Amino acid sequence: KNQVEQSPQSLIILEGKNCTLQCNYTVSPFSNLRWYKQDTGRGPVSLTIMTFSENTKSNGRYTATLDADTKQSSLHITASQLSDSASYICVVRDQTGANNLFFGTGTRLTVIP
Amino acid sequence: ETGVTQTPRHLVMGMTNKKSLKCEQHLGHNAMYWYKQSAKKPLELMFVYNFKEQTENNSVPSRFSPECPNSSHLFLHLHTLQPEDSALYLCASSPASASGSVYEQYFGPGTRLTVT
Repeated sequence: KNQVEQSPQSLIILEGKNCTLQCNYTVSPFSNLRWYKQDTGRGPVSLTIMTFSENTKSNGRYTATLDADTKQSSLHITASQLSDSASYICVVRDQTGANNLFFGTGTRLTVIP
Repeated sequence: ETGVTQTPRHLVMGMTNKKSLKCEQHLGHNAMYWYKQSAKKPLELMFVYNFKEQTENNSVPSRFSPECPNSSHLFLHLHTLQPEDSALYLCASSPASASGSVYEQYFGPGTRLTVT
């Protein structure tokens, strides 16, 4: 069964600290993986997309990694800011159809001053 | 106005009411989607439209009825809903919905629906 699991479910960190969010998936055959940021009361916004051949991709203070062999991805946030408080959703697309997107339940990050 | 907009942002309705959610995209995309987001659950794809044609219906109950009059507008008509239908309903659009594509889906802010 194709699944995407994220951990932790929630996380509280102090402003300025780093954190890493995890995403494990069983989706096959794999096409790509996206990390989305969803602010409260808003729709998800894409942060990064990674395909099979990519190991690392950065977007400002956000760095995503992908290990296609172990089917794991991580999102590392450096020097966190209060505006990083949001839910981070891992989404994996397979190759079997246009709309086969598999969503994780998200990690709720709270950055406190 | 740019991006994907949704109205209303909040809706409270009784189980016997009929209401409609509206989505509009200003990105020139050809595919539009309805998702349901419930607390602590993954986003659930409900419907997909490509070039105004419905291409996917993920076993959604008939009390949800989509309508796509053109590539820029998408509606979700609601009738005789249940309390468990309370959720955030997200609309999204993408350039197209082609097999194997990596097109990003752009989401609207959602409509928070409460069924009483």
